[in-house]
Amino acid sequence: QSALTQPASVSGSPGQSITISCTGTSSDVGSSKLVSWYQQHPDKVPKLMIYEGTKRPSGVSSRFSGSKSGNTASLTISGLQAEDGADYFCCSSSHTSSFGCVFGTPTRVTVL
Amino acid sequence: QVQLVESGGGVVQPGRSLRLSCAGSGFTFSSYAMHWVRQAPGKGLEWVAVIWYEGSNKYYVDSVKGRFTISRDNSKNTLYLQMNSLRAEDSATYYCAREVETLIVVNAFHIWGQGTKVTVSS
Repeated sequence: QSALTQPASVSGSPGQSITISCTGTSSDVGSSKLVSWYQQHPDKVPKLMIYEGTKRPSGVSSRFSGSKSGNTASLTISGLQAEDGADYFCCSSSHTSSFGCVFGTPTRVTVL
Repeated sequence: QVQLVESGGGVVQPGRSLRLSCAGSGFTFSSYAMHWVRQAPGKGLEWVAVIWYEGSNKYYVDSVKGRFTISRDNSKNTLYLQMNSLRAEDSATYYCAREVETLIVVNAFHIWGQGTKVTVSS
């Protein structure tokens, strides 16, 4: 099972909105409702930001939102803040893998 | 507070075995499915295995099938990962992670442990 494709880096200025894409295939992202997103600061534990495509766990800012179109899922961060600078990973369930999820390659978000 | 604490990592030779443990506290451990996720140094995340809340179902990533076994003891609020026939490519920080909601598996890793490092080297 190949990793999902994410851009290596995305940057934006404070207050702006950015979108991170997560591209898979019709066997994973395109056919799965189980797409999740994680934020990881350097040397820190990953944090769940979005699950089931669009749901936010309690405590996660409403500035983070998830969506999907075809084989591509997206994470949008609105009102970018300095503390949003981190690595972001998507993860999607797949019909071709054994139940778990396949992660994407990390996207480094830089707040200019 | 809700917490997961892993232990059992270390340096091991190729072909040897290691057992990781993950102790949960601050929540009803027996109501949640649990996962192991690993991260090689400087690399991305890789899902490794999942076990249902009551232990009835277990699934693994293809690269560890037949070598790793996930299990749990709900009476001890503890998750395990038995790793046999270890390879260099298994070297990583191993995290246990709790599902976001009770009784279901939606591959949403909500609560994470601090991780335990496994190095496979001769």
